[in-house]
Amino acid sequence: DTAVSQTPKYLVTQMGNDKSIKCEQNLGHDTMYWYKQDSKKFLKIMFSYNNKELIINETVPNRFSPKSPDKAHLNLHINSLELGDSAVYFCASSPVGLAGPGANVLTFGAGSRLTVL
Amino acid sequence: DAKTTQPPSMDCAEGRAANLPCNHSTISGNEYVYWYRQIHSQGPQYIIHGLKNNETNEMASLIITEDRKSSTLILPHATLRDTAVYYCIVRVDGGTSYGKLTFGQGTILTVHP
Repeated sequence: DTAVSQTPKYLVTQMGNDKSIKCEQNLGHDTMYWYKQDSKKFLKIMFSYNNKELIINETVPNRFSPKSPDKAHLNLHINSLELGDSAVYFCASSPVGLAGPGANVLTFGAGSRLTVL
Repeated sequence: DAKTTQPPSMDCAEGRAANLPCNHSTISGNEYVYWYRQIHSQGPQYIIHGLKNNETNEMASLIITEDRKSSTLILPHATLRDTAVYYCIVRVDGGTSYGKLTFGQGTILTVHP
């Protein structure tokens, strides 16, 4: 059973298009995240949601809009794609809320490689 | 979060122990040391974390110096599948920005046959 699953695994699209990446976790975790890994392999957080509520919103262009229909799902929609959006996007989840041991123990998905042409 | 310093790369023979160091000289009293790894083309994987006592789980051991300014991740019997980038992250456990992990460049561990 996949704990954190993302679809699609690969996405190739043209500049200016709108695309979505979906994420689902079956771990019963309360918090979900989107991280971005650029071409230089640096991994940075974009968003986090706790029980469908936005917790972390890093300095990300507003073309990126996360949506959490329920606590098991966190989707990432990207409008007007640009060349610089090409990256691997990782979804993750963690079991606890604001405080508690293991709050930074994240389970990551396998990643979605987005290529913008 | 305290800054961490790791060697850019290390080699290890298969079956031997891999000892990966991390310096975090500005660590605060309430900050934990976390280790993650990323195998090529996969998502990061949590390994272990600790505050001040040594920790061990099925994957690895974490040794934290008494002054907490450095730590060592030990993979007791490295296999080829342990070849990965290993990240040492220092973070408070909880708070309003929990889960906001800062991944540096890490250490590329290569396990040789």
